Amino acid sequence: DAGVIQSPRHEVTEMGQEVTLRCKPISGHDYLFWYRQTMMRGLELLIYFNNNVPIDDSGMPEDRFSAKMPNASFSTLKIQPSEPRDSAVYFCASRFGTGSSYEQYFGPGTRLTVT
Amino acid sequence: AQTVTQSQPEMSVQEAETVTLSCTYDTSESDYYLFWYKQPPSRQMILVIRQEAYKQQNATENRFSVNFQKAAKSFSLKISDSQLGDAAMYFCAYTLNQAGTALIFGKGTTLSVSS
Repeated sequence: DAGVIQSPRHEVTEMGQEVTLRCKPISGHDYLFWYRQTMMRGLELLIYFNNNVPIDDSGMPEDRFSAKMPNASFSTLKIQPSEPRDSAVYFCASRFGTGSSYEQYFGPGTRLTVT
Repeated sequence: AQTVTQSQPEMSVQEAETVTLSCTYDTSESDYYLFWYKQPPSRQMILVIRQEAYKQQNATENRFSVNFQKAAKSFSLKISDSQLGDAAMYFCAYTLNQAGTALIFGKGTTLSVSS
């Protein structure tokens, strides 16, 4: 398996623009997580899905952020409109729900810069 | 709420020497997992080692070992025979032993290795 795939690896956009980050989890994994990493706050959970259904979105900072998982092999995180404070590295991770040590497999991350 | 604390923002070690990174956590649960992740400059999150809370024996993976003190809620990482490639940020993380729980991360420790 190719591991968790994220695109783009880098995104630079202007304030007010819409940004869409994409993630393809490892085949067979039934949990998908979106994390954000900043210098100030470290790594924090934004939202996670189980079998394509959002379970906990309490970490989503505000209504400008939305996430979808239309099928088991694809998820998006959208920011509309983007603001400079959204600049961060966004990670997607996936794992099996049971029968494992709950190890999460991370994608390479998307570095977002909002100017 | 569960929290993870890494009190050492930065550590340094000489090649071939041993270094210990500290981590404490706060939880009222008894069944959980603890992890150490490595994040090199490439940004990729790499699992270094995991520990199941119900196991008294400390986990070991080659040059990496942990000192798990459940009563003290302490989970330190020891790197023996340090190598230049060990230079990275290291994150301690916690998750409950239940499906559908996310990782809670510490703020990280940046490890530098000198020759």
